[in-house]
Amino acid sequence: GNSVTQMEGPVTLSEEAFLTINCTYTATGYPSLFWYVQYPGEGLQLLLKATKADDKGSNKGFEATYRKETTSFHLEKGSVQVSDSAVYFCALIGAQKLVFGQGTRLTINP
Amino acid sequence: DSGVTQTPKHLITATGQRVTLRCSPRSGDLSVYWYQQSLDQGLQFLIQYYNGEERAKGNILERFSAQQFPDLHSELNLSSLELGDSALYFCASTGPYSGNTIYFGEGSWLTVV
Repeated sequence: GNSVTQMEGPVTLSEEAFLTINCTYTATGYPSLFWYVQYPGEGLQLLLKATKADDKGSNKGFEATYRKETTSFHLEKGSVQVSDSAVYFCALIGAQKLVFGQGTRLTINP
Repeated sequence: DSGVTQTPKHLITATGQRVTLRCSPRSGDLSVYWYQQSLDQGLQFLIQYYNGEERAKGNILERFSAQQFPDLHSELNLSSLELGDSALYFCASTGPYSGNTIYFGEGSWLTVV
């Protein structure tokens, strides 16, 4: 079946540091890939998505590229801010089923 | 605002009781999903409905049930509540006009005391 594996957290960085959160997946066919973010005390928000190989999703300075050859969808940001502190979930949808990774808690210190 | 509406936002109830969580999907979305998020178990898929019919079942306890009504809103019923059922319950929806994206509501916080 489909599965998503995320880099284990928690991750703690200083403000303006470079961020990478790794995500790899196993799926049949050609799933769409997503990053969701959950800020403290809030629900899940869609951060970005990519629907086919080599697509790059981007939003709020975050980027992720759909890499079919490495089955990866790593999340990156060049300069993180304190307000980026949240839990990040990688996910895929295939045959209308959404499968999540375990989530990575990110804390940014000023 | 994702367009998915969940009520109530917060609920406190006693063990052994029964509660109903309600979800209104985005306009035009036919699929509704329910997820449970607890502190120690991450996001657990419970159940999915498509146009009124159950489509997929995940880690849903027998004490829990759900349904999707003709107007496409959905309800998740939790009965014989236990302390361990305390969690954030998410509803999500998708459909033919959602670009294969699943949108989440803000969740219903359930505390069992």
